[in-house]
Amino acid sequence: DTGVSQDPRHKITKRGQNVTFRCDPISEHNRLYWYRQTLGQGPEFLTYFQNEAQLEKSRLLSDRFSAERPKGSFSTLEIQRTEQGDSAMYLCASSIMGDTEAFFGQGTRLTVV
Amino acid sequence: GDSVTQMEGPVTLSEEAFLTINCTYTATGYPSLFWYVQYPGEGLQLLLKATKADDKGSNKGFEATYRKETTSFHLEKGSVQVSDSAVYFCALSRSDPGGFKTIFGAGTRLFVKA
Repeated sequence: DTGVSQDPRHKITKRGQNVTFRCDPISEHNRLYWYRQTLGQGPEFLTYFQNEAQLEKSRLLSDRFSAERPKGSFSTLEIQRTEQGDSAMYLCASSIMGDTEAFFGQGTRLTVV
Repeated sequence: GDSVTQMEGPVTLSEEAFLTINCTYTATGYPSLFWYVQYPGEGLQLLLKATKADDKGSNKGFEATYRKETTSFHLEKGSVQVSDSAVYFCALSRSDPGGFKTIFGAGTRLFVKA
């Protein structure tokens, strides 16, 4: 297993379009997290899953954002009707239940034009 | 709620200089503390961690000691290299329900000149 992988690495989209990102966690990790990082800032928590259950969502996750982890393995993050303010790096991380250390993917950089 | 505060950057040093990046935290319970490093255009890499008071995390010449009495986890390196130029994030995470997510500081950009 090579770690957490995210796809695509880069995405440029026009304002108003929908985009979907995928995250494949480390195989034995049952927790999966999504973060957003804007330029010059630290990552901010968006949501997390324990297996297939979405247990917490940040207030940053507006109605245009939805995340799923249907079989408790990979996860998708969809942004509907993208806005320029959605431009950011979207990071995925995974961890083992009971362990505080999260392993991060390389991120998907979204640019909304 | 939980929070992490780290010194603002950028920090500019000459090669072989001593590095300190200050980090303090606020958290309930007993968090684990981390330093992550981010190179340009890349994701986050764990640099070091400490899971309880007085633990020292170390890796690649970097060190940080978990000081519960001062709620601090300052990053140090005795002799920096040009290749250490990156953004460094201090972070915490708790193992109790509701605390699993990682909370990050704003990051400190380090430039090392040859």
